[in-house]
This record gives sequence, structure tokens and C-alpha cells, in this order.
Amino acid sequence: AQSVTQLDSQVPVFEEAPVELRCNYSSSVSVYLFWYVQYPNQGLQLLLKYLSGSTLVESINGFEAEFNKSQTSFHLRKPSVHISDTAEYFCAVRPGGYNKLIFGAGTRLAVHP
Amino acid sequence: GAGVSQSPSNKVTEKGKDVELRCDPISGHTALYWYRQSLGQGLEFLIYFQGNSAPDKSGLPSDRFSAERTGGSVSTLTIQRTQQEDSAVYLCASSLRPSHTDSYNSPLHFGNGTRLTVT
Repeated sequence: AQSVTQLDSQVPVFEEAPVELRCNYSSSVSVYLFWYVQYPNQGLQLLLKYLSGSTLVESINGFEAEFNKSQTSFHLRKPSVHISDTAEYFCAVRPGGYNKLIFGAGTRLAVHP
Repeated sequence: GAGVSQSPSNKVTEKGKDVELRCDPISGHTALYWYRQSLGQGLEFLIYFQGNSAPDKSGLPSDRFSAERTGGSVSTLTIQRTQQEDSAVYLCASSLRPSHTDSYNSPLHFGNGTRLTVT
């Protein structure tokens, strides 16, 4: 069975500091990987995705994630966070051949001034 | 354009009553998903509709849960004889599935959810 583990439920960080949100998955088949973000009082929206090709993918607002097949990880990073990055971040996998998207429990990122 | 619309935004009901939650997907999106988000939990997959194909109901937690999608558009999630453990935010999402691309990379567009509280 496929599963997604987000190791940190909450990550507090100061503004302009770097951050890493961890995500590990288990799957017996190839997967597509996603990060979704939920800003306060808003719906979930896609942040970035890995489908194939380069293992490093980037979002338009400075986040990046690297697919590591050997470690079955897809950690999300940003070198310098802003207050506006405060949100809940969800890692998700879609096993090849399956329709459903399997989500992790989410990591709440709180950026403090 | 308009996003995924869910109604009501909040629903408080007494244990044992039935509830209906509505989802209006983005026009032209053929795939529709229902997820449940409980406090401290991830998003739990409930059901998936794709066009006229038989829905994937593998995530429905019990036979008290059912969902319909009429005319390939609006969907209704029904919970019968609600229990307190049904309290959660119910999220609907839709995605485009163009025939000429890999459907699995189509992003999901989520609604703001319905917060269900069973007292």
C-alpha cells in the first residue's frame, strides 16, 4: 500500500531563515509527487510537482523540492522564508496507474518576524 | 474564472441525522474528488469520479457514506445517520483530464470545503 509521511507537524522559523519540510513516501510502483499549500482561510493549491526528468523542481515563489528515489523522499526547501509563507503544506503522491492522490498529514509552517 | 464551489461552508447537525454536501466543480473538469480532513490528520481520500466511468469508491469509510455526480458536473456527498466521528472538513476537488496528455499530472483544484460538526 502507498503512504506519505510528513515528519514534522509544525515548523516554526524566523523570517529570512532557511526551511526544510520533510516528506517520505512508500510505494511499490513509480509515483508522481506533489506539494500543495493551504494559506489561512484559503483552499489547497498546487505548489509544485515532480513527474519525470530533472529531480529538482521549483515553484514560482522560491520553493524547491528534490525527488530522491533511493531515499523515497521529496523534501521541500526554501533558502529564505517570508511572513507570507505561513501556511500548511501537504505532500502528496499519485502512484502510477492510480487515480487517487494520497496526502500526508501536513506540516504547519509558521514564520515569525 | 470561477473555482470549485462547495456548499454549505459550515454545517452543524445532530447525531443520527442525514446531511448532504454539495460540490460544483470547475466547468469542463471531468475528474472530481472528495476528501475528508480531520484535525491533525492528512487528507483522507473518499471517492473519485471520472467522466461516465464507474466511480472509485474505495475510500468511503462505511455504507453510511455515498456520493453522486449528476450529468458529469455537480456532485453530492451524503452521510446518513451521522456520528460524531464524521465531524471534519469535507473537501471537493476537480481536475482537467485532457485525452492527449498524461492525466496523472493534472493538478487538483480544491474548494474551500464544508466544515461538518456533529453534536
